[in-house]
Amino acid sequence: AQSVAQPEDQVNVAEGNPLTVKCTYSVSGNPYLFWYVQYPNRGLQFLLKYITGDNLVKGSYGFEAEFNKSQTSFHLKKPSALVSDSALYFCAVSAGNMLTFGGGTRLMVKP
Amino acid sequence: DVKVTQSSRYLVKRTGEKVFLECVQDMDHENMFWYRQDPGLGLRLIYFSYDVKMKEKGDIPEGYSVSREKKERFSLILESASTNQTSMYLCASSLLGLAGNEQFFGPGTRLTVL
Repeated sequence: AQSVAQPEDQVNVAEGNPLTVKCTYSVSGNPYLFWYVQYPNRGLQFLLKYITGDNLVKGSYGFEAEFNKSQTSFHLKKPSALVSDSALYFCAVSAGNMLTFGGGTRLMVKP
Repeated sequence: DVKVTQSSRYLVKRTGEKVFLECVQDMDHENMFWYRQDPGLGLRLIYFSYDVKMKEKGDIPEGYSVSREKKERFSLILESASTNQTSMYLCASSLLGLAGNEQFFGPGTRLTVL
């Protein structure tokens, strides 16, 4: 069975600073990895995914994620945080047509 | 754009009531999913369906059932609501096939059971 861990419940960063939201996974076979974002009182929005190929994946709103097979990690990054990036972020791994989600990390960007 | 809609944003029910949550998607997706979201637990899959009248149990199916009579519509049913089913419920859809297909989510229904 696959699993996802997001070790930080909350990440605090100042506006303009780089941000990292961590994710590690466990899956048998090739991993298909996703990041989603949830703004207050909204559903989840897809940010980016890794299927194969380049380990650095670029997504929406200037986010990117780095796939590291040896460390079984898929950390979400952004070079310069915005206050509007404050939200709940979920990492997920796919097996077949189903997703398994991590517990979520709340990102707080302060002006 | 894919659009997934859910019948209610907020719902308040009493213990023992039968509750219906409905979800509709407009992109002809084969797969549809029901999750519940609780703080610190992320999203947990209740049921999913890959075709009309087909359903598969997810991680936490107890106390829930589902119905898919039409491709675009997937209903979640709480036969006898209990207070521990107070949660945010999210519906999603995706294309059948590759494991790399992303899911598209509705806005969620926040259910409170008193």
